Amino acid sequence: KAGVTQTPRYLIKTRGQQVTLSCSPISGHRSVSWYQQTPGQGLQFLFEYFSETQRNKGNFPGRFSGRQFSNSRSEMNVSTLELGDSALYLCASSLGTGNTEAFFGQGTRLTVV
Amino acid sequence: GENVEQHPSTLSVQEGDSAVIKCTYSDSASNYFPWYKQELGKGPQLIIDIRSNVGEKKDQRIAVTLNKTAKHFSLHITETQPEDSAVYFCAASKGAAGNKLTFGGGTRVLVKP
Repeated sequence: KAGVTQTPRYLIKTRGQQVTLSCSPISGHRSVSWYQQTPGQGLQFLFEYFSETQRNKGNFPGRFSGRQFSNSRSEMNVSTLELGDSALYLCASSLGTGNTEAFFGQGTRLTVV
Repeated sequence: GENVEQHPSTLSVQEGDSAVIKCTYSDSASNYFPWYKQELGKGPQLIIDIRSNVGEKKDQRIAVTLNKTAKHFSLHITETQPEDSAVYFCAASKGAAGNKLTFGGGTRVLVKP
């Protein structure tokens, strides 16, 4: 069974640009959550999508957005990039019903210059 | 919202010794507590989890205990091996509200041969 796939693995962007990251969950999983990991703030929850609807949202500005498609694949978008957005962005896949295990992808390393 | 504190931030043990990592959480409604291991360049890997209706769970050399009254849970690794060296994260969530994990700050474990 394939794991969680995130693309691309690495990205370098310039301040002010926007970026789109992609996540393909484990087959059969309907929930995709996104997290930002930085040395200073650790792992922080961005948002969760379940059956194409945002079900939970963390405390990030509106520049961070996401969506989920009918095949459960998800994308997150960051607009007007800032230097502080440099981080490892991780997505986690789960069945989505109640207390179910979440499995992470390898992440996308975003560097903003 | 939920707050999870994790101690210690670094832990150095001799191969074969035991390692213990402790976490406390603030929201008494949290009912799902996973532990993740993250190796360099990889996403977090789920190693064990516990639900609030269980006090202890074991899987080979790894065990987790939960004290709901005190709102703390711990990870125990026995007979540590060099491949146990990694960063470990505890997390908490209210599963019924979707998959929103709140993470502790992480513990860097070094197992010395």
